[in-house]
Amino acid sequence: QVTLRESGPALVKPTQTVTLTCTFSGFSLTTRGMCVSWIRQPPGKALEWLALIDWDGDKYYSKSLKTRLTVSKDTSKNQVVLRLTNMDPVDTATYYCARLKYGSVSYEELDYWGQGILVTVSS
Amino acid sequence: QSVLTQPPSASGAPGQRVTISCSGSSSNIGRNHVFWYQQVPGTAPKLLIYTNDQRPSGVPDRFSGSKSGTSASLAISGLRSGDEADYYCTAWDDSLGGFVFGPGTNVGVL
Repeated sequence: QVTLRESGPALVKPTQTVTLTCTFSGFSLTTRGMCVSWIRQPPGKALEWLALIDWDGDKYYSKSLKTRLTVSKDTSKNQVVLRLTNMDPVDTATYYCARLKYGSVSYEELDYWGQGILVTVSS
Repeated sequence: QSVLTQPPSASGAPGQRVTISCSGSSSNIGRNHVFWYQQVPGTAPKLLIYTNDQRPSGVPDRFSGSKSGTSASLAISGLRSGDEADYYCTAWDDSLGGFVFGPGTNVGVL
């Protein structure tokens, strides 16, 4: 059974860095084709893809947020960590992590999602 | 402004068929697979269609996906009140080096 759960602070101040952790079970990030991705959703708005890290350690970031994002993994703990620097009120959103599968030539479906964590940016 | 284009809303009476379009470009839908997600308000998105037209186990065959060129569509037949949700299309974009999501379509059942 695949599960993912996001954890981290619910409230951060502007200019701070937020660190979010995705703890998963039911699969291994050492298995070829397995990846974890982060997606966020501001209140009442659409989904926005942020980043991914795959079984080989390759990382991809949203072009618009690339300078502020860092994704890393700890395979021994089955965790993926997302860091977003210089937080602003516009970064207020529910942040989701999801399992992502790599197909024959490209990244494919986000087949399991965590419940999400609401991060509010406010002074 | 989203790279993929979807209508903001769609609706139909119970039992009717609703179709949602998703328009992209040669760098995303034109070259890569399309995926559809269903999000009931207050819950996490759920994978509905993968690889353009495949349904994960447990997704009713009332939901179907298709792709042609740089566009894709999701059809919901036999509309039910439980289908009321937001639907998002997404694809990998080779130019951006990441996934792009559509703005979402809110489906209502009249």
